[in-house]
Amino acid sequence: EPEVTQTPSHQVTQMGQEVILRCVPISNHLYFYWYRQILGQKVEFLVSFYNNEISEKSEIFDDQFSVERPDGSNFTLKIRSTKLEDSAMYFCASSLGLADTDTQYFGPGTRLTVL
Amino acid sequence: AQSVAQPEDQVNVAEGNPLTVKCTYSVSGNPYLFWYVQYPNRGLQFLLKYITGDNLVKGSYGFEAEFNKSQTSFHLKKPSALVSDSALYFCAVRDQGWTGGGADGLTFGKGTHLIIQP
Repeated sequence: EPEVTQTPSHQVTQMGQEVILRCVPISNHLYFYWYRQILGQKVEFLVSFYNNEISEKSEIFDDQFSVERPDGSNFTLKIRSTKLEDSAMYFCASSLGLADTDTQYFGPGTRLTVL
Repeated sequence: AQSVAQPEDQVNVAEGNPLTVKCTYSVSGNPYLFWYVQYPNRGLQFLLKYITGDNLVKGSYGFEAEFNKSQTSFHLKKPSALVSDSALYFCAVRDQGWTGGGADGLTFGKGTHLIIQP
């Protein structure tokens, strides 16, 4: 069964550094998403991406964040200058579309630790 | 704005007994409702969803959920619990909106730890 994959599984970085989190969505899916889960808190929507542009973003997704689909398979989340409060589990998801039958399938997550 | 409430942080059930994990929601339009399960060090796995039609939805691993519009609830159920069902369960909603132009992102509840005791 096709799966969403994410790399790395764990990323440790110093405050102020840039990080790029990578995702490979399910191959025939057209919508891509990033969510985050701060330890002990809810899973929160960050951004959705379709047709090479942002479809929707939450208020969490500020100018420090950017997303990109650099090639036909990868979908990346970049944090330009990490802050301590960016420490969280980041989940990538993909769906075939936005129709009512289109389920979002999640990857295993990348745990980001900012020191 | 859309929101989800899972009133129980933890639910304890003896193996073989029926289980219920509660979820209530709030949306401005029509809801799409989902249950996901998270095992330790794993991602979120899709269990089932309600879009329209029958209020009782059947999903993976013998789970089912009942949509109740009047109570704005979508409780997850299983007739006979297994120890392997022990995990963290998330209810989520996506607002379709009144004209179909609703939210892209899912809004999640805080999760309920389900513990099945042998």
